[in-house]
Amino acid sequence: DTAVSQTPKYLVTQMGNDKSIKCEQNLGHDTMYWYKQDSKKFLKIMFSYNNKELIINETVPNRFSPKSPDKAHLNLHINSLELGDSAVYFCASSQEAPVVFGPGTRLTVT
Amino acid sequence: GQQVMQIPQYQHVQEGEDFTTYCNSSTTLSNIQWYKQRPGGHPVFLIQLVKSGEVKKQKRLTFQFGEAKKNSSLHITATQTTDVGTYFCAVRFQAGTALIFGKGTTLSVSS
Repeated sequence: DTAVSQTPKYLVTQMGNDKSIKCEQNLGHDTMYWYKQDSKKFLKIMFSYNNKELIINETVPNRFSPKSPDKAHLNLHINSLELGDSAVYFCASSQEAPVVFGPGTRLTVT
Repeated sequence: GQQVMQIPQYQHVQEGEDFTTYCNSSTTLSNIQWYKQRPGGHPVFLIQLVKSGEVKKQKRLTFQFGEAKKNSSLHITATQTTDVGTYFCAVRFQAGTALIFGKGTTLSVSS
């Protein structure tokens, strides 16, 4: 069983579109995250949720909106996609250490 | 915001050579974690160091936490092609905050 899963794995879309990425974890962790990894492999925290409550919201454009319907799910919705949004987005979860990452969603905006 | 510096950014070695990556923080850390990301993959947890001066080994990998708890290193002895990937250190500057990753060291190994 996959511990942290995300869909889709690849997402190719045009500028201006709206898209969502879904994430689910079956580890029973209280905390879930979204990280963005750019082309230089830099991993940057975007959001962190603890038990469905937003606890960290780094400097991210408000076009990005996370939603946590329950403790096991954390989805990411992106409005009005821009070229600079192209990256790999990782969902992750943790209960203290370690942080367990999903396989990533490679988003390409054309 | 607070950052953890990691060097070098890239390292190429011949198979059998040793490799080391370093992480440095300007503030004292409660702990530090290390992750490995294979090409095309996702970061995978390797280890967490908590105590001042701690040294932990996993086969050919040796992890150290500095006495002042401001720096850490990962050393690989006799690299193999399976060691290829990007190695990240990661820290929490305060309890309850997000894990902040260093910029990573990408290791390539030629046989």
